[in-house]
Amino acid sequence: EAGVAQSPRYKIIEKRQSVAFWCNPISGHATLYWYQQILGQGPKLLIQFQNNGVVDDSQLPKDRFSAERLKGVDSTLKIQPAKLEDSAVYLCASSDRDSSYNEQFFGPGTRLTVL
Amino acid sequence: GDSVTQMEGPVTLSEEAFLTINCTYTATGYPSLFWYVQYPGEGLQLLLKATKADDKGSNKGFEATYRKETTSFHLEKGSVQVSDSAVYFCALNKDAGGTSYGKLTFGQGTILTVHP
Repeated sequence: EAGVAQSPRYKIIEKRQSVAFWCNPISGHATLYWYQQILGQGPKLLIQFQNNGVVDDSQLPKDRFSAERLKGVDSTLKIQPAKLEDSAVYLCASSDRDSSYNEQFFGPGTRLTVL
Repeated sequence: GDSVTQMEGPVTLSEEAFLTINCTYTATGYPSLFWYVQYPGEGLQLLLKATKADDKGSNKGFEATYRKETTSFHLEKGSVQVSDSAVYFCALNKDAGGTSYGKLTFGQGTILTVHP
């Protein structure tokens, strides 16, 4: 079974530029999550999708961050414009609706550096 | 709100030493508890889990017991190997098994380095 795919793996941009990350979850997984992991900290949830709909985006800085999940499969996360404090690893995860433990499977992440 | 606190790191051990990484949590209700591991250059992987009080999760020689009375989920291994060097994250999910499939709340992570 293929895992969660993310691209790009690394991205370096200057502040005020825009950037987008892509995630392809495990086939059949209805729930998709985007986490932000700042160096030295645990991951923090930015947004959670259930199929096409947003379940939780309370921690998403909506003035600069946006995310979509078209057709309930792939997802993109965008930052516009980026700030220095956005430097982090952005993790995508997915889970099976039928999993009683809500086990989340993580992708390798995209490491963003904002200069 | 919900929170997870892990022992301060990094932790450095010799091969075959005993490992304990402390984890305590604050949450209302009945969370499920997890340990995730992140090996160098790889994504987060589920190491073990426990969904109710007194449950013991185990995998790859690691164990953790869900202690509701002390709100703890300490990770232990009797004899560590060099290959166990990684970052370990304790996490909780209050909605696991329910209908809302809620978010994971993570601790800050503990870096483990095992020397030969």
